[in-house]
Amino acid sequence: EVQVLESGGGLVQPGGSLRLSCAASGFTFSSYAMNWVRQAPGKGLEWVSAISGSGGDTYYADSVKGRFTISRDNSENTLYLQMNSLRAEDTAVYYCAKDLPGTTQWLAIFDHWGQGTLVTVSS
Amino acid sequence: DIVMTQSPDSLALSLGERATINCKSSQSVLYSSDNKNYLGWYQQKPGQPPKLLIYWASTRESGVPDRFSGSGSGADFTLTISSLQAEDVAVYYCQQYYSTPPTFGQGTKLEIK
Repeated sequence: EVQVLESGGGLVQPGGSLRLSCAASGFTFSSYAMNWVRQAPGKGLEWVSAISGSGGDTYYADSVKGRFTISRDNSENTLYLQMNSLRAEDTAVYYCAKDLPGTTQWLAIFDHWGQGTLVTVSS
Repeated sequence: DIVMTQSPDSLALSLGERATINCKSSQSVLYSSDNKNYLGWYQQKPGQPPKLLIYWASTRESGVPDRFSGSGSGADFTLTISSLQAEDVAVYYCQQYYSTPPTFGQGTKLEIK
């Protein structure tokens, strides 16, 4: 059974940093692109970042480019999101999401999601 | 960025009724080289993560009941629930994966009347 489990959320001050983790199991982790998608309280879904299965290609939303860094450790089946220079508008539940199987290295449609981890940026 | 616009924003129907949710993209998401529409639908119940229902505009994800169906092509799409059940109360989102960044519609809240 495919499972992804996020951790690392919490309360951080504006300008601070946080690293999210996502532990994956039940599938060949290195074969799939992985994504972070966020949802501000009471709002819709916003894609944040993606990384190819090998880790060699990364993608970012303009809203986080230069502040967030996505990475993965295929030996540990774990995805990461390093978040720096956090702003109030980054407050959201952050979901780790597995890419649907496809013929490209990143398809950007998400077939398994974790329960999410809440990041609150406030003084 | 491709803008996804759903209608209506909310919908209240009786059990057993047919539910129709529309999604319009600001440009076509039909890729000519493979003739596929890069459009998916998700269901999000309160307190839960989204769940993929439909991809390639009309392919049902494994385990999704057949009362859910997707249709449309180009820039106009529809999610249909043929006979509404109590467990279908949720917010539904469309999403394009034709171009970067992938973008979602604003969501349609489906309730029981």
